[in-house]
Amino acid sequence: ETGVTQSPTHLIKTRGQQVTLRCSSQSGHNTVSWYQQALGQGPQFIFQYYREEENGRGNFPPRFSGLQFPNYSSELNVNALELDDSALYLCASSGGGAGETQYFGPGTRLLVL
Amino acid sequence: DQQVKQNSPSLSVQEGRISILNCDYTNSMFDYFLWYKKYPAEGPTFLISISSIKDKNEDGRFTVFLNKSAKHLSLHIVPSQPGDSAVYFCAASAGGYQKVTFGTGTKLQVIP
Repeated sequence: ETGVTQSPTHLIKTRGQQVTLRCSSQSGHNTVSWYQQALGQGPQFIFQYYREEENGRGNFPPRFSGLQFPNYSSELNVNALELDDSALYLCASSGGGAGETQYFGPGTRLLVL
Repeated sequence: DQQVKQNSPSLSVQEGRISILNCDYTNSMFDYFLWYKKYPAEGPTFLISISSIKDKNEDGRFTVFLNKSAKHLSLHIVPSQPGDSAVYFCAASAGGYQKVTFGTGTKLQVIP
């Protein structure tokens, strides 16, 4: 059973650019959630996808968007990057049931200059 | 609006002693609480959870206590080991919904 993987591990972009981050869910998981963790903070919920549909969203602007594919892998897209978007982006997969534990990937470290 | 608060950014404990990590929450709709452990360069790892219908849950050296009236939970690690040194996040969710709200974390250092 493979765990949650994310790519790339690190990324540097400039303000105004667009970025796509990728996540492969743990085998058998149909739900993926994305989190942003700024330095010194806890992870903040961005949104969740369940069977390719958005299933809830946190307080993030529309320039943060996502996709989930039939194989349950996922993408996080951020348009018009701002300096404050610099953070660790984590994805977590789970089985989708109430109270199901989320398993996190190692994250993608994004730096916006 | 920090709905889950961990007021101690760091904690140092001697090996073999008890580590107590505390967490407070403000949202009375939260009914499921979790603790995650995070090592550098890794994602958070689930440690232990508790439902609001319970006041205690135990798993080996780890015990979580929930005081709903005080909106407070704590994680006890007994005995503490150097490998427990990590950042611990308290987290909560409401209604089985998997949006999880995290605290800011407490960095635990267990001194050999």
